[in-house]
Amino acid sequence: QSALTQPPSASGSPGQSVTISCTGTSSDVGVHNYVSWYQQYPGKAPKLMIYEVSKRPSGVPDRFSGSKSGNTASLTVSGLQAEDEADYYCSSYAGRHTYVFGTGTQVTVL
Amino acid sequence: EVQLVESGGDLVQPGGSLRLSCAASGFTFSGYMMAWVRLAPGKGLEWVANIKNDGSEAYYVDSMKGRFSISRDNAKNSLYLQMNSLRAEDTAVYYCARDNNYKVDIWGQGTLVTVSS
Repeated sequence: QSALTQPPSASGSPGQSVTISCTGTSSDVGVHNYVSWYQQYPGKAPKLMIYEVSKRPSGVPDRFSGSKSGNTASLTVSGLQAEDEADYYCSSYAGRHTYVFGTGTQVTVL
Repeated sequence: EVQLVESGGDLVQPGGSLRLSCAASGFTFSGYMMAWVRLAPGKGLEWVANIKNDGSEAYYVDSMKGRFSISRDNAKNSLYLQMNSLRAEDTAVYYCARDNNYKVDIWGQGTLVTVSS
């Protein structure tokens, strides 16, 4: 149950795209298509942005997209906006009703 | 409105115990698995435990097995986390969360647990 690996930080100018990676193992990301992404502002509760690798909940802008290749999942934020500045966490189902989160990435809009 | 409201966070000494509660409203509580997730200072989110909708089975992260116990009362629309033998590294904001088919789609606002002498 080791945490999934994310880069500590990522940044981009308004209008640009930023992609965050999330690397796991063949026991979690690599074998299950249950990867989710959460956005969290300081002092606030996390918010679901992507589930099942690439699906968006109602109300989440289509600027947010997800993908997966092998043991690595990715979140791309296109057309970066000031309000996208937040912490982002990936999560994967790890079998036997257990889950593992990523180490988190702080996104800065320059 | 779908809502989860945690309570019970407090300052507790190392080795002490604490029971967190979560009141659910706005959805059929008994129809969902529920979970606890924590966020320690300067660290990332960590899944703690979850419990089946009928309370028949519970699952824990290995590091908390034997110290933490998740339970629920569907008649009261409530989720609980009993934490024993608390350590400094258990200091965190604890979130109540709805586990909806392999994703957490509803989060509470969190309750702060501080373990310190």
